[in-house]
Amino acid sequence: AQTVTQSQPEMSVQEAETVTLSCTYDTSESNYYLFWYKQPPSRQMILVIRQEAYKQQNATENRFSVNFQKAAKSFSLKISDSQLGDTAMYFCAGDMNYGGATNKLIFGTGTLLAVQP
Amino acid sequence: DSGVTQTPKHLITATGQRVTLRCSPRSGDLSVYWYQQSLDQGLQFLIQYYNGEERAKGNILERFSAQQFPDLHSELNLSSLELGDSALYFCASSARQGGTDTQYFGPGTRLTVL
Repeated sequence: AQTVTQSQPEMSVQEAETVTLSCTYDTSESNYYLFWYKQPPSRQMILVIRQEAYKQQNATENRFSVNFQKAAKSFSLKISDSQLGDTAMYFCAGDMNYGGATNKLIFGTGTLLAVQP
Repeated sequence: DSGVTQTPKHLITATGQRVTLRCSPRSGDLSVYWYQQSLDQGLQFLIQYYNGEERAKGNILERFSAQQFPDLHSELNLSSLELGDSALYFCASSARQGGTDTQYFGPGTRLTVL
């Protein structure tokens, strides 16, 4: 079965510091896509970053970067220079049906990140 | 703003009733996905449509149904509502099926069943 696991229910970080959120997944597919979505108090789901499994280079979007370890099936999100606006629930998600009829996302249970002033 | 719109934003209804949630995808997107976010089940995939045709079903109850219209907007119909159906329902859209394409989410419809 394809699964996505986030083992950190809650995390806290001081403003301007760096924090890493963990995610592991399981799939038998060789090619797939992984995502981090952010859900602030407004409840909107906002795409943070995406990683394609066949690309060895880790994805980066401004202050957000990932550490993708394919062999270990690990996909962590690093947030640098944390800002108060980063306070949100962060969901790791996988599309592990590459080339199939559907691109449904499988979500982890989320990590609630609080950025402290 | 993702470009995906959902109406209504909030819906309060009683058990046994039927409601319809509406979604308009981003311009040009052919795929529409419905997800349910609840406290006990987390975020779960319900159903996907591509260019008017059903593509995949997830954990969608038989009391729930959906369709995608020729103008590509989609509706999720929930009937015989139960207290446990209270949740945030998201619609997402993407440009294509197969391979992959990033899904962009609408603001959600919060359904409360009393």
